[in-house]
Amino acid sequence: DGGITQSPKYLFRKEGQNVTLSCEQNLNHDAMYWYRQDPGQGLRLIYYSQIVNDFQKGDIAEGYSVSREKKESFPLTVTSAQKNPTAFYLCASSIISAVGVREKLFFGSGTQLSVL
Amino acid sequence: AQKITQTQPGMFVQEKEAVTLDCTYDTSDPSYGLFWYKQPSSGEMIFLIYQGSYDQQNATEGRYSLNFQKARKSANLVISASQLGDSAMYFCAMREGDSWGKLQFGAGTQVVVTP
Repeated sequence: DGGITQSPKYLFRKEGQNVTLSCEQNLNHDAMYWYRQDPGQGLRLIYYSQIVNDFQKGDIAEGYSVSREKKESFPLTVTSAQKNPTAFYLCASSIISAVGVREKLFFGSGTQLSVL
Repeated sequence: AQKITQTQPGMFVQEKEAVTLDCTYDTSDPSYGLFWYKQPSSGEMIFLIYQGSYDQQNATEGRYSLNFQKARKSANLVISASQLGDSAMYFCAMREGDSWGKLQFGAGTQVVVTP
């Protein structure tokens, strides 16, 4: 079945440590996204990518980095510069198409990141 | 400033009844899109329905309909004939202009469907 796989489901980070969240999709979608969700809040966009080897900052990119070396993969690294990394992280993908269609995002099941 | 406002943090609805989830938005761009997503306890977000600012008719998708009142800047989601599986968090979101990939989400409404 086609879909988006995020791993791990739970991740713990120590002070000063970088951690990488995995996101893989087999939907053949061109666009991929990373969102952050904090309790009681909606999702906020961290980074997005419309094509391999290119990505754009979202609203809260500071302290995060991404890469897009393959169409299927869009890993997110939470660096030590991110002072408040505890959150639920959701990866999504979509086709590149007309307005209204491209925002039909397909999401993974998320990674809960906590600081030790 | 908050672009998307969902004033109902949580609500109970009885099975088979209809429920309306409120969403108001704020934008000065004449071109925008409004979306509703569902988040079950498993965590993934599921797309439900889309309404474009220039669409003449309210969007419908099965049991979901969007009550779009442009002058009031509201985009309420109506779920008809609620089912136990509808229990979830519901998020309203907006795309402004041609801001590719940038959806702004509200804080969500928790819906619990009771037998």
